[in-house]
Amino acid sequence: NAGVMQNPRHLVRRRGQEARLRCSPVKGHSHVYWYRQLPEEGLKFMVYLQKENIIDESGMPKERFSAEFPKEGPSILRIQQVVRGDSAAYFCASSSGNTDTQYFGPGTRLTVL
Amino acid sequence: DQQVKQNSPSLSVQEGRISILNCDYTNSMFDYFLWYKKYPAEGPTFLISISSIKDKNEDGRFTVFLNKSAKHLSLHIVPSQPGDSAVYFCAASSYSGGSNYKLTFGKGTLLTVNP
Repeated sequence: NAGVMQNPRHLVRRRGQEARLRCSPVKGHSHVYWYRQLPEEGLKFMVYLQKENIIDESGMPKERFSAEFPKEGPSILRIQQVVRGDSAAYFCASSSGNTDTQYFGPGTRLTVL
Repeated sequence: DQQVKQNSPSLSVQEGRISILNCDYTNSMFDYFLWYKKYPAEGPTFLISISSIKDKNEDGRFTVFLNKSAKHLSLHIVPSQPGDSAVYFCAASSYSGGSNYKLTFGKGTLLTVNP
């Protein structure tokens, strides 16, 4: 019974490079959420997706960040031209419905040099 | 703008005693509250939740109390065990506001249970 899987677990990028974070939800879950946790902070909502649709991206920075959840394959959080301030832990969660409990993955720790 | 506040960064208790973790919120639209537990290098794990129509919810050793007038909730763990040592996050969402999926988290409280 696989839970939410995220890869890579650790990602190091230099300033200006692109970061791609992947999330495979719990089997059967069609709702995916991305959260970011900056050092010494709580998790902050970024985006909510269903298959092929972005439902709510109100927590996403306006520039450089994008997310998708294609019909086939994992959800992808993409950060273009990374800056040091993007260094954080990025958590993905999934649920079977949007009112149901969210189950979190182990996170991807992004370090920007 | 910290809408969910956990004012105690850390708490230390003896094994077998009660652990009480506190959480305050400021947004009156919040009507659903959750506690998550997080071990290092892992994602948060759901523990227990409570709707604003209730003032108490119990699950085994874990009980959550909600005081709506004070905008305060607490998590009680009785008896505490060393395996309970983790960071505990309080989270809130708004069903009535139509964004129940958008969890707002506190900064967390590190609980250490000493044998």
